[in-house]
Formats: sequence, C-alpha cells, structure tokens
Amino acid sequence: SQTIHQWPATLVQPVGSPLSLECTVEGTSNPNLYWYRQAAGRGLQLLFYSVGIGQISSEVPQNLSASRPQDRQFILSSKKLLLSDSGFYLCAWTYSSYNEQFFGPGTRLTVL
Amino acid sequence: RKEVEQDPGPFNVPEGATVAFNCTYSNSASQSFFWYRQDCRKEPKLLMSVYSSGNEDGRFTAQLNRASQYISLLIRDSKLSDSATYLCVVNMRTGNQFYFGTGTSLTVIP
Repeated sequence: SQTIHQWPATLVQPVGSPLSLECTVEGTSNPNLYWYRQAAGRGLQLLFYSVGIGQISSEVPQNLSASRPQDRQFILSSKKLLLSDSGFYLCAWTYSSYNEQFFGPGTRLTVL
Repeated sequence: RKEVEQDPGPFNVPEGATVAFNCTYSNSASQSFFWYRQDCRKEPKLLMSVYSSGNEDGRFTAQLNRASQYISLLIRDSKLSDSATYLCVVNMRTGNQFYFGTGTSLTVIP
C-alpha cells in the first residue's frame, strides 16, 4: 500500500529564517505531487505541483520554491520566511490528474 | 468567480438527522469529483468519489448534476463522529489541478 510522509509535524521559525519541508511517498512510482497551504479557518491554496522529477509548476508567486530531486520526494523551501507564511502545509499525491489525491499528515508552521 | 463554491455552514444537526451539502463548480470541463472530510487540525481524507450515476457508501450518498454543475453529499442517520468539515473537490483531467471548496462545517449534537 502507499503511504505519504511529511516532516516535521510542527515548526516554529522566526521571520527571515529559511525553511525546508520534506515530503516522501512510498509504494508507488511516478506520482503527481502537490504542495498546499491552509491558513487558519481557510481553504486549501495550491502552491506547487509536479508531474515528474525536476518538473515544477508554481501556482502562486511568492517567496516559496519547490523541488523534486527524486521521483517520490518533494521539497518546499524558502530563503526568508514572512509572517504570512504561517499555516498548515500539506503534501499530496495522486496517480494521475483524474484520480483522487491522498494527503500527508501536514506540517504546522508558525512564523514569529 | 471561484472554481468551486460551498456553503460554509456551520450545520448543527441532532444525532440521527439527515443532512445534505451542495457544492457548485464553474467549469463545465470538470471531469472528476470528490468529497473529502477534514477533522480539526488534521489532513483532508477522501470520503468518496462522485460518479456520474451517483453512488452510495453506507450512510453517505453522493450525486452529480452536470447540467446544473453541482455535486451533493447526503448523510443519513448522523453520528457524533460525523462532525467535521466536508470539502468538495473538482478536477479537470487536463492541467493536473484539483480545485477545493472552502469546506462546510458539520457539528452533530447529542
């Protein structure tokens, strides 16, 4: 069966510090991978998605970036965090664009 | 206009009640439809896919109306454990993007 991992689960970072969140998927190959952010009491905002190694599509211009160095690894980064980057970051995978998505447990980021 | 719109609620219903949520989508090219459940401070989890002919899973029934561009979720015999936020998700097979509604909050009251 497939599983998706995210770490860390919780993170508190000062404004201006860098960020690296990692997501890995097990039990499948060549998944489509997604990063979402959910602000408190809000809906999911798509940040990036990837259909293959090194292929990244950005949905929202901001100070975040994503990379996919391996087939089942997706990394979300920032060089300098802003207060507005606080939120619940979720990684998801799917077999294809018409199959359901499965989410990782998420990382709750607080920027102070 | 948002791709997917849901009534945010909250819906507060007694145990045993039947409750229905609707969700409208704006793009007629949408091809795949899903309902997810999200508990407080947790990740969304797939509740059910929505098929053109409608589908049922125990107490849950999902329906799709392509002509009016909406999907619905019916929960019968509500349980306390059904309390959560229900997210409507729509996908167009081209573009690899999933569009999420902001969710409908349900609280089942003893």
